[in-house]
Amino acid sequence: DVKVTQSSRYLVKRTGEKVFLECVQDMDHENMFWYRQDPGLGLRLIYFSYDVKMKEKGDIPEGYSVSREKKERFSLILESASTNQTSMYLCASSASRGSLDIQYFGAGTRLSVL
Amino acid sequence: SQQGEEDPQALSIQEGENATMNCSYKTSINNLQWYRQNSGRGLVHLILIRSNEREKHSGRLRVTLDTSKKSSSLLITASRAADTASYFCARTGGYNKLIFGAGTRLAVHP
Repeated sequence: DVKVTQSSRYLVKRTGEKVFLECVQDMDHENMFWYRQDPGLGLRLIYFSYDVKMKEKGDIPEGYSVSREKKERFSLILESASTNQTSMYLCASSASRGSLDIQYFGAGTRLSVL
Repeated sequence: SQQGEEDPQALSIQEGENATMNCSYKTSINNLQWYRQNSGRGLVHLILIRSNEREKHSGRLRVTLDTSKKSSSLLITASRAADTASYFCARTGGYNKLIFGAGTRLAVHP
């Protein structure tokens, strides 16, 4: 079974802090994604990566950056956390070939910025 | 918005009843997927239906697709309390991306 692991289930940070959210997948998937989920807004794509060291902006990249130094790991970085970044963050991965774009999700990280 | 639209936004039923959720979209698709999300957790893939299929079954799940109307429905038969969750449809958005709808919150009462 595919396993996508997010490093923290809950995080509380202060405004202005630098925040790292880590995601690791164990299925050698090429594609990895970061979403945020807010009530009434569904899932919104922040960034995605289709290969090591490659990244593409999603729909709401402002205030975020990402890093993919190894195939299995995709990190989301909040350079200076703000209260409007309080949200549920979901990481997902998918294979490039023959996958029909089925994504596998981690359990999510609920981030509170105070 | 590129998102699909799901309706209803919320659905409350009794155990044993059937639950039907609908999804509409605006552009052509290669396939459409349905995911489930238990409260506070990640999404889990349920079923995928290709654009050349009209109906697909998986256990108590039945998905239909009408490409002429750009709509899909998910039917859960003989629902159980454990089916309580949010359900999302998703379509491919290019570059292996998915575009998710806003979801339907299903509550199944014992």
